[in-house]
Amino acid sequence: QLQLQESGPGLVKPSETLSLTCTVAGDSMSRSSYYWGWVRQAPGKGPEWIGSVRNIGVTDDIIYYSPSLRSRLTISVDASRNQFSLRLNSVTAADTAVYYCARPSGAYPLIHSFDVWGQGTLVTVSS
Amino acid sequence: QSVLTQPPSVSAAPGQKVTISCSGGTSNIGTNFVSWYQHLPGTAPKILIRDNSERLSGIPDRFSGSRSGTSATLVITGLQTGDEADYYCGTWDSSLTDVVFGGGTKLTVL
Repeated sequence: QLQLQESGPGLVKPSETLSLTCTVAGDSMSRSSYYWGWVRQAPGKGPEWIGSVRNIGVTDDIIYYSPSLRSRLTISVDASRNQFSLRLNSVTAADTAVYYCARPSGAYPLIHSFDVWGQGTLVTVSS
Repeated sequence: QSVLTQPPSVSAAPGQKVTISCSGGTSNIGTNFVSWYQHLPGTAPKILIRDNSERLSGIPDRFSGSRSGTSATLVITGLQTGDEADYYCGTWDSSLTDVVFGGGTKLTVL
């Protein structure tokens, strides 16, 4: 059974970098048929897609970023550890949200329709 | 402002039917499949419908989806109190190269 688990600091200071890792159990990320995604949900707001990644080779990944976050965002895969990560630079209070990792319900090219989600981790941006 | 437009709230009595609309454009709903999610506080969103109308495994047939042109609709029949939640539509936007979601609709079962 596929399981996803987010990990990382729950509190980040303004202007610093938010870093989260998603550990995948029950499927291999190496040369995966799936995109693996990050979605966040700010308090009282709807989901917001952050980006998605698919590992297609030892050093090759296909990555899509949200246009609104692209300038501050890096998503990467460590297939050997079955993990993928996000780094969001120069955070502000507007980045406070529950961050989820998730996998779509079908193989590529499907990049949305997320049917497997991590439990989510609350990240608060505050000094 | 969300790319996809949903009514902020809908309500109906137990046993009744509700319809939740999701309006978009040619670059999103008009050309890409729509998914519907149910979100309860403190939990991850749960996908109900994919590819406009396909129910995911384990989702009751009380939930149904459809798409016409640049709009999609989620219909819930035989409402139960446990259906009270926020509902979101989502799809890919080919022009924005972005996964987009609606602003959400809060369902109240009176």
